[in-house]
Amino acid sequence: NAGVTQTPKFQVLKTGQSMTLQCAQDMNHNSMYWYRQDPGMGLRLIYYSASEGTTDKGEVPNGYNVSRLNKREFSLRLESAAPSQTSVYFCASSEALTGAPGQPQHFGDGTRLSIL
Amino acid sequence: ELKVEQNPLFLSMQEGKNYTIYCNYSTTSDRLYWYRQDPGKSLESLFVLLSNGAVKQEGRLMASLDTKARLSTLHITAAVHDLSATYFCLTGGTSYGKLTFGQGTILTVHP
Repeated sequence: NAGVTQTPKFQVLKTGQSMTLQCAQDMNHNSMYWYRQDPGMGLRLIYYSASEGTTDKGEVPNGYNVSRLNKREFSLRLESAAPSQTSVYFCASSEALTGAPGQPQHFGDGTRLSIL
Repeated sequence: ELKVEQNPLFLSMQEGKNYTIYCNYSTTSDRLYWYRQDPGKSLESLFVLLSNGAVKQEGRLMASLDTKARLSTLHITAAVHDLSATYFCLTGGTSYGKLTFGQGTILTVHP
């Protein structure tokens, strides 16, 4: 079972470069999420998508854009990377945003991003 | 703004001992999740707690939820080395989308 697949697993960028992190899930989940994890700060929500065609800001959306391409895929884009965006990025999915709070989020393996 | 605080942030235990990790949150919530993360790995779902007084147990771990006190606990019984990991709580207040993690508790179990 693939679950949630993130690509790439590692990436090094220079300041000002752009890139897109890809996320795909094969569990037919409606909701998808992007988090960043920094030491001592836990995971912070960047953006989420309650369902195909909708996206909303989380706690730390500045400097990022997202696209819910279809039900399976949710991408995160850094338009002009900054050193402060060096982090580990996790994508997650869950069955539904509302009506099924008993379903936990399932996480991908993460993308380790360094910006020089 | 929902705040979620875990304590302790660091926990060093001897094998065989018991201990409790606490997760306090600042606004009303009807659900709380516990996750485990091994170093360099993804997050694994441990427990889903949906109602006041809910208690779930899996092996040496037991989680509970007190929605009136806005408190969840993760109790470790007779710790073993394999439990060494970082444990996170996650809750969402009344906004289903904007879920908030606690800072995480780094647990190390020594022989």
